[in-house]
Amino acid sequence: SAVISQKPSRDICQRGTSLTIQCQVDSQVTMMFWYRQQPGQSLTLIATANQGSEATYESGFVIDKFPISRPNLTFSTLTVSNMSPEDSSIYLCSVEAERGETQYFGPGTRLLVL
Amino acid sequence: QKEVEQNSGPLSVPEGAIASLNCTYSDRGSQSFFWYRQYSGKSPELIMFIYSNGDKEDGRFTAQLNKASQYVSLLIRDSQPSDSATYLCAVVSSASKIIFGSGTRLSIRP
Repeated sequence: SAVISQKPSRDICQRGTSLTIQCQVDSQVTMMFWYRQQPGQSLTLIATANQGSEATYESGFVIDKFPISRPNLTFSTLTVSNMSPEDSSIYLCSVEAERGETQYFGPGTRLLVL
Repeated sequence: QKEVEQNSGPLSVPEGAIASLNCTYSDRGSQSFFWYRQYSGKSPELIMFIYSNGDKEDGRFTAQLNKASQYVSLLIRDSQPSDSATYLCAVVSSASKIIFGSGTRLSIRP
């Protein structure tokens, strides 16, 4: 399976600021995904990031709030913009497995917005 | 109806017993099914996948799939305290989209 790292692992931010989360994979992957997991909840897909094209956002998520970059096949960033306490969550990036169906997850970024 | 449903638990099982985790899904065209384990404060970890009806065994874990009943389960034999975690069922829909259940919290009591 791919080795995935995320930075930062956790952060405490002030309301109204923005945070960019980085996701690095040790191999080239076509599709990368960004999820949010709020306390006690399951995973909610924010967007799918393909290299060389605009990210595809799920219902309820917009590019202005969660801009995503995918400059190459091993790296992606997710920015959480103009944060509010409701954005406090764990943000996870994932990549498709070799078979192309299931996904492997990074360690997550724990965000607390005050 | 949720696309992937799991009992949220907590499911409490004595050490050494069999833990049975259940998941139902609504999309009859789904073909691929996965179980993830998530320890508190950690990210989900893939532990089992199953594509065909019947049972699939891997160590102490057995995944069971019944497509006619749209039901997938995970059995954990000889449960250990280290099995205490939240178990997420994931299904790849007929639209090739992976959908996660809300998870079942399993607690193994010594």
